[in-house]
Amino acid sequence: EAGVTQFPSHSVIEKGQTVTLRCDPISGHDNLYWYRRVMGKEIKFLLHFVKESKQDESGMPNNRFLAERTGGTYSTLKVQPAELEDSGVYFCASSQDPRRSGANVLTFGAGSRLTVL
Amino acid sequence: QQQVKQSPQSLIVQKGGISIINCAYENTAFDYFPWYQQFPGKGPALLIAIRPDVSEKKEGRFTISFNKSAKQFSLHIMDSQPGDSATYFCAASMGSNSGYALNFGKGTSLLVTP
Repeated sequence: EAGVTQFPSHSVIEKGQTVTLRCDPISGHDNLYWYRRVMGKEIKFLLHFVKESKQDESGMPNNRFLAERTGGTYSTLKVQPAELEDSGVYFCASSQDPRRSGANVLTFGAGSRLTVL
Repeated sequence: QQQVKQSPQSLIVQKGGISIINCAYENTAFDYFPWYQQFPGKGPALLIAIRPDVSEKKEGRFTISFNKSAKQFSLHIMDSQPGDSATYFCAASMGSNSGYALNFGKGTSLLVTP
């Protein structure tokens, strides 16, 4: 079974530019999450999709961040325009319906490291 | 506001020793407490998890101890091995059978020396 795939693994951009991160979840996983870890801080929740719908976007920092999940499959997270404080590692995770598995077990991708100069 | 507090930030243990990482939470609605292990260049991976109806869960060398009244839980790694060197994150969420997001601690970088 293929895991959660994220692209790019590392992106270096200048302040004011746009970056789009992509996540391909495990096939069949309805739940898709975006998290971010700034160095030395906790892994912080950004938002949660159930299929193509945004279930919870309370963690999105501001309106410079836009997440989409086309057809309930892959997801993109766009940062426009990027600021210095957006630097960090962006993780995507997916899970199947917890009511089937008995627990919400998240499978994480390797992350996309974003550096804003 | 950080919902899960984790300590220590870093830990060095000799091979064969016991590694102990502690976490505390405030939200009494949390009812699912997983620990994730992350190796360099990889994403966090579920290691072990507990629900508050039990005080301890053991899987191999890894044990979670849970104290509901104190709102604390800890990870114990017995007979620590160099291959256990990784970053460990505790987490908590509501509704273990729901899709509620996990709230993570800041992580503990564990180094097990030979």
